[in-house]
Amino acid sequence: RKEVEQDPGPFNVPEGATVAFNCTYSNSASQSFFWYRQDCRKEPKLLMSVYSSGNEDGRFTAQLNRASQYISLLIRDSKLSDSATYLCVVMDTGFQKLVFGTGTRLLVSP
Amino acid sequence: NAGVTQTPKFQVLKTGQSMTLQCAQDMNHEYMSWYRQDPGMGLRLIHYSVGAGITDQGEVPNGYNVSRSTTEDFPLRLLSAAPSQTSVYFCASSYPTLGGRGYEQFFGPGTRLTVL
Repeated sequence: RKEVEQDPGPFNVPEGATVAFNCTYSNSASQSFFWYRQDCRKEPKLLMSVYSSGNEDGRFTAQLNRASQYISLLIRDSKLSDSATYLCVVMDTGFQKLVFGTGTRLLVSP
Repeated sequence: NAGVTQTPKFQVLKTGQSMTLQCAQDMNHEYMSWYRQDPGMGLRLIHYSVGAGITDQGEVPNGYNVSRSTTEDFPLRLLSAAPSQTSVYFCASSYPTLGGRGYEQFFGPGTRLTVL
């Protein structure tokens, strides 16, 4: 079983739609959680950290459920520029060792 | 700030050749890491360093060496290239402490390596 599992997609949505991605992780001792965004043939960039209380950054909302070991990302009012691969990332204990999911691809169409 | 820079951007090697992928950062970050990204696998940690003179192995270290003589530079050496090392390699750096956005790692633009 992979440490971090995501639906690879692609998710095809029209502009203005709301889309949600889910992710599960297997290590209950994981400390920190993130969503990174990766554009085609580019490096990953931090989109947002995910906190137990849930957090929001503009059109993006992230939730963490430690009991179910589940992380989610909600994107409201999708833009063409949101088209990218969204990586669910978990940080294990000790050194900032990031464990990456394989990513979920989002395609937003006009 | 240039951030994290990597050279070369592209490289083709023959099996058995050796080479060094360069990584540098100008943000005075203590932590630096090397990852490889393969289709369907996600990014995987090769080696990491928590400061100058200190390195350790990650998840997939075989066939690679690293050193960290300065805070800024963290080169990755392929000792004897194999086709299984065909991949995209990313270097990353970060502060060891919690920042405003959490433990944010900054990635370089990547090196696309093909081993024939």
